Amino acid sequence: RKEVEQDPGPFNVPEGATVAFNCTYSNSASQSFFWYRQDCRKEPKLLMSVYSSGNEDGRFTAQLNRASQYISLLIRDSKLSDSATYLCVVPLWDYKLSFGAGTTVTVRA
Amino acid sequence: DTAVSQTPKYLVTQMGNDKSIKCEQNLGHDTMYWYKQDSKKFLKIMFSYNNKELIINETVPNRFSPKSPDKAHLNLHINSLELGDSAVYFCASSQDGTSEETQYFGPGTRLLVL
Repeated sequence: RKEVEQDPGPFNVPEGATVAFNCTYSNSASQSFFWYRQDCRKEPKLLMSVYSSGNEDGRFTAQLNRASQYISLLIRDSKLSDSATYLCVVPLWDYKLSFGAGTTVTVRA
Repeated sequence: DTAVSQTPKYLVTQMGNDKSIKCEQNLGHDTMYWYKQDSKKFLKIMFSYNNKELIINETVPNRFSPKSPDKAHLNLHINSLELGDSAVYFCASSQDGTSEETQYFGPGTRLLVL
């Protein structure tokens, strides 16, 4: 099983829609998780951290299911500016981060 | 003010050449990283330095040699470039180097080996 797996998408949604996608991880010892956002031809930037069961930041909600070892990201009221690739990031035991390949979201007008 | 900067942004070169990429961070962080993002978009850690000391050295060809003259700079030298080295190389930094921290990425260096 890969360290981090994501549905690559693309998720193509209209403005105002809700979109959600998951990330599964293999390291059951991981305590915290991250969602990074990467715009086309840009660097990744932290979107949000997930430390307990979940986290909410405006229109973005991340949920953690430790029993099934997955993290989800939900975007409500999608904006055109939400179009990006969302990277699921899981810390490993040796100070490294493991990045998923990303889920691409395209919000259309 | 750019927090993490890299030079050059683009690098086109012939197979067999030697090239260097430079990275600087002005965040006062102790730890810096080099990542490679290939055409399939996977970001893979290559190296990490904490206070000029190498702490992560992934299985990369020894043609790749990182150098950290001080904790604000981390350079990457690549000898005998190969076609498969074509990728985007990102530098990043974090405060202490623990895996719980946010990492701040530079804009990337797009390397194309012909």
